[in-house]
Amino acid sequence: DTGVSQDPRHKITKRGQNVTFRCDPISEHNRLYWYRQTLGQGPEFLTYFQNEAQLEKSRLLSDRFSAERPKGSFSTLEIQRTEQGDSAMYLCASSSSGGNYGYTFGSGTRLTVV
Amino acid sequence: RKEVEQDPGPFNVPEGATVAFNCTYSNSASQSFFWYRQDCRKEPKLLMSVYSSGNEDGRFTAQLNRASQYISLLIRDSKLSDSATYLCVVNTNAGKSTFGDGTTLTVKP
Repeated sequence: DTGVSQDPRHKITKRGQNVTFRCDPISEHNRLYWYRQTLGQGPEFLTYFQNEAQLEKSRLLSDRFSAERPKGSFSTLEIQRTEQGDSAMYLCASSSSGGNYGYTFGSGTRLTVV
Repeated sequence: RKEVEQDPGPFNVPEGATVAFNCTYSNSASQSFFWYRQDCRKEPKLLMSVYSSGNEDGRFTAQLNRASQYISLLIRDSKLSDSATYLCVVNTNAGKSTFGDGTTLTVKP
């Protein structure tokens, strides 16, 4: 197991297009988290899953954002009708239950909306 | 007011210096606490957990004051490789982590 993998590393898209990102967590971790980070800010929580159940969504996550984790393994984050304000680094992390041992992050997907 | 607040810095220190970062959090129900390190354009990496009794890992010492809702990180004998942004992180019982915006450290020769 090589850690948390995210794909793609970079995505440039035109405003109004839909994009989908993938995250493969560490296999023995049952919790998976999505965060968004912009320059000069810390990561902002978007949503998290325990196994296949989505347990919490931030109010930052508008109805244009949706996340899934079918079968409790990999996860996808889709952004519909992208806007320039969606440009950010999208980080995925995983942890064992409770996250009290900290997270392991993937390298992130950098989204640029033009 | 942000849930986790940090002095953004930057802190510019010479090699060998001792430097301390502080962090305050607003949610008194917070259960666990961490410091992460983030290099430029890289993902955050867990540096250390923070315990009520205080804990040390080599040149790094973390302290937690629950009564004051305050966390600190002390770095002794700074190295050039310590240059990074240090993120203070707080977990609620639900396990979700809330990150501060980070403190930037530059160690100069």
